[in-house]
Amino acid sequence: GENVEQHPSTLSVQEGDSAVIKCTYSDSASNYFPWYKQELGKRPQLIIDIRSNVGEKKDQRIAVTLNKTAKHFSLHITETQPEDSAVYFCAASNDYKLSFGAGTTVTVRA
Amino acid sequence: SAVISQKPSRDICQRGTSLTIQCQVDSQVTMMFWYRQQPGQSLTLIATANQGSEATYESGFVIDKFPISRPNLTFSTLTVSNMSPEDSSIYLCSVEGASGGETQYFGPGTRLLVL
Repeated sequence: GENVEQHPSTLSVQEGDSAVIKCTYSDSASNYFPWYKQELGKRPQLIIDIRSNVGEKKDQRIAVTLNKTAKHFSLHITETQPEDSAVYFCAASNDYKLSFGAGTTVTVRA
Repeated sequence: SAVISQKPSRDICQRGTSLTIQCQVDSQVTMMFWYRQQPGQSLTLIATANQGSEATYESGFVIDKFPISRPNLTFSTLTVSNMSPEDSSIYLCSVEGASGGETQYFGPGTRLLVL
């Protein structure tokens, strides 16, 4: 089955700086890569996603890049704000089955 | 995106008992999924529930322990049977997005504590 590795497990950044989270996947058949943000006690919320025929996607301060050859994808958050503090999960999907990374706890210091 | 609700939101149960969790969506969806999130951990897919067919279980999850029903296109239940403290987790349902494809949106989750 699919194996998704996510790094780092924790990330502390100064407000206004950028944050980068990296994920690798093992199954070359995976073709959909979403990112979820989960605040304490809340449900995971989809923040951005990318499909295998696209190399990069941006939505305001959030961007995702995908390198299918290397089987890795990354989340970039620019101009971080305190409300960006949360746990972020990457995932890879093959045939509608999401396999999640272990998560990254992001703390934005004011 | 669809409005997804789950019942109960949380429960405390005794070992050996069973709990049925409900997931309701405000629009018809073909695919519904059940996940488990153990304390401080990531999400793990338990099974895929499609209306009109048996649920498809992932490795490590069996129907006797986690029976699933999908009576229509807006509703599903997950039962956690013969519970032990190791079953203490958050159980989340998810549904495919309105645009189809592989986008999934999650319900609020059911927080289960087994004593």
